[in-house]
Amino acid sequence: QVQLVESGGGVVQPGRSLRLSCAASRFTFSRYAMHWVRQAPAKGLEWVSVISNDGSNKDHADSVKGRFTISRDNSKNMLYLQMNNLRVEDTAVYYCARAACSAHSGCYFDQWGQGTLVTVSS
Amino acid sequence: DIQLTQSPSFLSASVGDRVTITCRASQGIKGFLAWYQQKPGKAPQLLIYAASTLQGGVPSRFSGSGSGTEFTLTISSVQPEDFATYYCQQLNTYPFTFGPGTKVDIK
Repeated sequence: QVQLVESGGGVVQPGRSLRLSCAASRFTFSRYAMHWVRQAPAKGLEWVSVISNDGSNKDHADSVKGRFTISRDNSKNMLYLQMNNLRVEDTAVYYCARAACSAHSGCYFDQWGQGTLVTVSS
Repeated sequence: DIQLTQSPSFLSASVGDRVTITCRASQGIKGFLAWYQQKPGKAPQLLIYAASTLQGGVPSRFSGSGSGTEFTLTISSVQPEDFATYYCQQLNTYPFTFGPGTKVDIK
């Protein structure tokens, strides 16, 4: 079945950088837009970033705009999130999610990875 | 940005109860709403998309309805494995915001 596996999380000091990866398998990665969603400890879900299937279009939440950059490598079936100038409030589990979209039904996140924890602390 | 509110934020239910959760959007989102279930320590799982379409493999006791600004998720007869937190998400306009969640607990 479809698999999304995040990696790259860890403990980092405020102001430092981290790059998250999401390895996709068992589906045609290049056909799907991909998203990052995060969840702070004991909090709700927050949408972070989106990238189109071919990488030509991207968008980020205002809370991370100018600091985070989403990218992908379709030749490697990989999704990335470059996180710069990290803040304490970026502490969260970060999930990658596949977006299934159709003209009739719109989009929805039908597959999620297991998440990777990022802790920003001095 | 489109804001989503969910009510209630918490509810206690007994096995077999009918449970209804409401999600309201700050502006119209047509039918572009999804519902997810999340259990502790796990990733969210898609239950319903396009407001009322059941995702494959999801039990038929789950149903969704609504359009525009008001939506509901109903569990017709809650089962032990349904005790979890439920989130709505609007996918009409970026950013694709989530509701704050409704925790369904065992009475």
